[in-house]
Amino acid sequence: TQLLEQSPQFLSIQEGENLTVYCNSSSVFSSLQWYRQEPGEGPVLLVTVVTGGEVKKLKRLTFQFGDARKDSSLHITAAQPGDTGLYLCAGGPKAGGTSYGKLTFGQGTILTVHP
Amino acid sequence: SQTIHQWPATLVQPVGSPLSLECTVEGTSNPNLYWYRQAAGRGLQLLFYSVGIGQISSEVPQNLSASRPQDRQFILSSKKLLLSDSGFYLCAWSEGLVSYNEQFFGPGTRLTVL
Repeated sequence: TQLLEQSPQFLSIQEGENLTVYCNSSSVFSSLQWYRQEPGEGPVLLVTVVTGGEVKKLKRLTFQFGDARKDSSLHITAAQPGDTGLYLCAGGPKAGGTSYGKLTFGQGTILTVHP
Repeated sequence: SQTIHQWPATLVQPVGSPLSLECTVEGTSNPNLYWYRQAAGRGLQLLFYSVGIGQISSEVPQNLSASRPQDRQFILSSKKLLLSDSGFYLCAWSEGLVSYNEQFFGPGTRLTVL
């Protein structure tokens, strides 16, 4: 069974601060996705990384996939109150099998950005 | 464009009562469909997935079952609810069979079993 460990579980910061959320596993993943979820709603995809060492930027958000494709990080620069939410990483199983699009989700990081 | 619907949005049921949650997808054909359960503010646990009509795979043993009577309809059911069935239930769909296809989530159903 593949597991994804997210840290920290909770993050409470002031507007303008930087933060990093980590997603780690002992397993290799074919891809790593990051989702953001607001209370009472379904998760919304932020980014997908599929190549070891890949870095993607989405405005103030920077996503990185580890070289060995076992870990990933999400860095937010100058956080804003609108960034508040639950951030979830999700890994696709190692290539070679029939994955049926199944993802393994981390336990999530609850981010609160205070104005 | 594709849309995904879930209903009801909220549900309060007594222990031992039956359950039926429905999910429908519009604007796509032969999607992969998924049912997840989420504890408050936590990650998603995959319950069932389906790659076609009548094809259901269960991820964890539990008090729930799923059915896919039509291509774009996915139903989550229980004959007798337990207190532990409370949670936020999410339906999702994706295209194709590769793991890095984006999953699109519905708005969810908040189930409280009393």
